[in-house]
Amino acid sequence: DSGVTQTPKHLITATGQRVTLRCSPRSGDLSVYWYQQSLDQGLQFLIHYYNGEERAKGNILERFSAQQFPDLHSELNLSSLELGDSALYFCASSALQHRPETQYFGPGTRLLVL
Amino acid sequence: AQKVTQAQTEISVVEKEDVTLDCVYETRDTTYYLFWYKQPPSGELVFLIRRNSFDEQNEISGRYSWNFQKSTSSFNFTITASQVVDSAVYFCALSEPSNSGYALNFGKGTSLLVTP
Repeated sequence: DSGVTQTPKHLITATGQRVTLRCSPRSGDLSVYWYQQSLDQGLQFLIHYYNGEERAKGNILERFSAQQFPDLHSELNLSSLELGDSALYFCASSALQHRPETQYFGPGTRLLVL
Repeated sequence: AQKVTQAQTEISVVEKEDVTLDCVYETRDTTYYLFWYKQPPSGELVFLIRRNSFDEQNEISGRYSWNFQKSTSSFNFTITASQVVDSAVYFCALSEPSNSGYALNFGKGTSLLVTP
């Protein structure tokens, strides 16, 4: 158990809908990273938050957004969903921002868009 | 361009065989970090090791060992006396200060199947 929690574990929805994925980092970790794992793209970095502020963006679509709250949990919002958004979404947490501390991953949320 | 290359897509071995998973990376940073993660069939990503670019000492942890060679930009992972429980997808990842604040850049992964 990495100490990172993600809910829900599975999510089935329809095209055009909006969903919210939630992540709670390990106790004491200030950084949260979001990654997407799909069959064709592999594991891709989406976005990084540190202590409530966005720090870096990767291959995140404009339809996707995220935020990190004062209690440090983070949410990834996916809107206008398309079939191609079906994937496993991971969040990872680490302690610091300016050094590459090890990122510990949550169990993931498996999203299926029908 | 792919920064982390895991050329072996799938490897199949018989239990107790040794197996090496290859990882080649590309970076312009002088300081960087390399990782290996394991993804068993259950789907979670499990951290295995982190190596700093300035520390080329090889590491052994039980049946696992890692060979880091800056000269060839490789960070290979060897499992000795493989077991069925080692069956998983293994990912090599690179973390660089020039890339999105140390976000992980993953290879495509190597799927390892260990049969009895």
